[in-house]
Amino acid sequence: GDSVTQMEGPVTLSEEAFLTINCTYTATGYPSLFWYVQYPGEGLQLLLKATKADDKGSNKGFEATYRKETTSFHLEKGSVQVSDSAVYFCALQGGSEKLVFGKGTKLTVNP
Amino acid sequence: KAGVTQTPRYLIKTRGQQVTLSCSPISGHRSVSWYQQTPGQGLQFLFEYFSETQRNKGNFPGRFSGRQFSNSRSEMNVSTLELGDSALYLCASRQLGGDEKLFFGSGTQLSVL
Repeated sequence: GDSVTQMEGPVTLSEEAFLTINCTYTATGYPSLFWYVQYPGEGLQLLLKATKADDKGSNKGFEATYRKETTSFHLEKGSVQVSDSAVYFCALQGGSEKLVFGKGTKLTVNP
Repeated sequence: KAGVTQTPRYLIKTRGQQVTLSCSPISGHRSVSWYQQTPGQGLQFLFEYFSETQRNKGNFPGRFSGRQFSNSRSEMNVSTLELGDSALYLCASRQLGGDEKLFFGSGTQLSVL
């Protein structure tokens, strides 16, 4: 079945550092890919998405490119802030329309 | 516009009991999904309801059930609680067709003692 694998972390960075969180997926067909973010004590919020190969999703300085050839959707940000501290989830939505999530990566950004 | 509202926020139950969680979707959203979040298993899909009908179902035992009312509000029920049911239960709503972006509530933290 469909699955998502992401680096589990935790990841600890200093403010203004470069961030990469790796995400790879297994799916039949052409799924849509997502990054969700969960701040402490809150539900998930959609951060960005891409619906077809080579699409780049971007939001709040975060970017991810849908790479079909490597089945990847890595999340990047050039300069993280303390306020980016959260748990990040990679997810896919295939033909069944169910969202399948990775296990999440906890990011802590220190001042 | 109000967001997705889940009640209660916290719940403590003992093994063998049953529990009902409630979710009110964003106004106009007719699809409601439920997810279980645990440190070990991450986020797992439970089920989705649309127009009072179960549209999709994950791989959970029959002790987990749900329903949706005509006003799109949804309830999730877990019977004969087990320690392993301790989790954060998240509800999400979306408007089928168009963007179909999922909006999540803050969740109900269930602890089974």
